[in-house]
Amino acid sequence: EAGVVQSPRYKIIEKKQPVAFWCNPISGHNTLYWYRQNLGQGPELLIRYENEEAVDDSQLPKDRFSAERLKGVDSTLKIQPAELGDSAVYLCASSLILDTQYFGPGTRLTVL
Amino acid sequence: DQQVKQNSPSLSVQEGRISILNCDYTNSMFDYFLWYKKYPAEGPTFLISISSIKDKNEDGRFTVFLNKSAKHLSLHIVPSQPGDSAVYFCAASDPSQGNLIFGKGTKLSVKP
Repeated sequence: EAGVVQSPRYKIIEKKQPVAFWCNPISGHNTLYWYRQNLGQGPELLIRYENEEAVDDSQLPKDRFSAERLKGVDSTLKIQPAELGDSAVYLCASSLILDTQYFGPGTRLTVL
Repeated sequence: DQQVKQNSPSLSVQEGRISILNCDYTNSMFDYFLWYKKYPAEGPTFLISISSIKDKNEDGRFTVFLNKSAKHLSLHIVPSQPGDSAVYFCAASDPSQGNLIFGKGTKLSVKP
């Protein structure tokens, strides 16, 4: 069974530029999560989708971050404009509702 | 304030010996706990979990113990192998939020 797929794996951009990350969850998983992991920290939830509905986006900085999960399958997370403090690993995870979450490899973002 | 705490940033163990990783939590409403293992440049991989109605769960070399009165759980790896060297994250499921709260991780080094 294929795992959670994320792309790109690495991204380097200059501040104020836009950036987008893509995630394809495990087939059949209706819940999708975006996390951010800063160096030396555990992952922190940004947004959670159940099917195509964002059911928890309380930790998403909405002034610059946006996400979408059209058709309830793959998802895109966007930052516009990026700031230096956005440098982190962005992780996507998926699960069946209220079940174990499985993570993708992450996208390491460096903002210069 | 951190709701899930892993107070040891690192742990070094000799191959063949037992590794014990500890985790404390503050919210008595957490009802499900998980351990994830993370290698460099990879996403966290699910290792083992335990429901709050149990005090022990075992899977091969890995055992998780839960002490609800102390709000403490631990992961035992025995015998430890060099391939177990990774960062281990403790996570708790918050039923009111539907998401996971992670600790900062403990870096385990198993020396041959």
